Amino acid sequence: DAGVTQSPTHLIKTRGQQVTLRCSPKSGHDTVSWYQQALGQGPQFIFQYYEEEERQRGNFPDRFSGHQYPNYSSELNVNALLLGDSALYLCASSSATEVRETQYFGPGTRLLVL
Amino acid sequence: AQSVTQLDSQVPVFEEAPVELRCNYSSSVSVYLFWYVQYPNQGLQLLLKYLSGSTLVKGINGFEAEFNKSQTSFHLRKPSVHISDTAEYFCAVSEVWGLVGKSTFGDGTTLTVKP
Repeated sequence: DAGVTQSPTHLIKTRGQQVTLRCSPKSGHDTVSWYQQALGQGPQFIFQYYEEEERQRGNFPDRFSGHQYPNYSSELNVNALLLGDSALYLCASSSATEVRETQYFGPGTRLLVL
Repeated sequence: AQSVTQLDSQVPVFEEAPVELRCNYSSSVSVYLFWYVQYPNQGLQLLLKYLSGSTLVKGINGFEAEFNKSQTSFHLRKPSVHISDTAEYFCAVSEVWGLVGKSTFGDGTTLTVKP
């Protein structure tokens, strides 16, 4: 049973560019949450997708957007990249019907903005 | 809104010694509590979680944590650490009646186990 997978593992971009990160949830999970983990900090909730819609958003600007496909996989898009967007981006999956279920994290995508 | 404070940013300890990583939280609503471990260049792995019931929770790799509601704490302990326990540890909370899968994390504690 494959766990949560993310691609790519590493990415280097320059300021002003756009980036797309991808996530496939754990088998049986229908909900995907995205987190940003800056160096030396804990993960910060960006937003969550369920039934192809954004359910809730953390304190992140509209430059951060996402998408969920019918197979529950998800993308995180960041436009007009800033140096401060450099971080590890984590995807976590969970089941909306299992309210006491744990979320499972992927290995992350490390984004460096130069 | 919730907040999580991990009281020690770094904890050095010798191999086979006991260790405690401290976590306090603040919330106006009931929460679930979690500890995660993150090894270098990897994602987060769940160590243990408190949902309800017994306040002493046992997890993987010999770790345990105790939920103290009056002190709003959820400290992580291990009686004897190994070199392989060297990693970053994160405490997190989620609202009981909130969005499933949305957690608030502390800034982490770096555990370094020395031979």
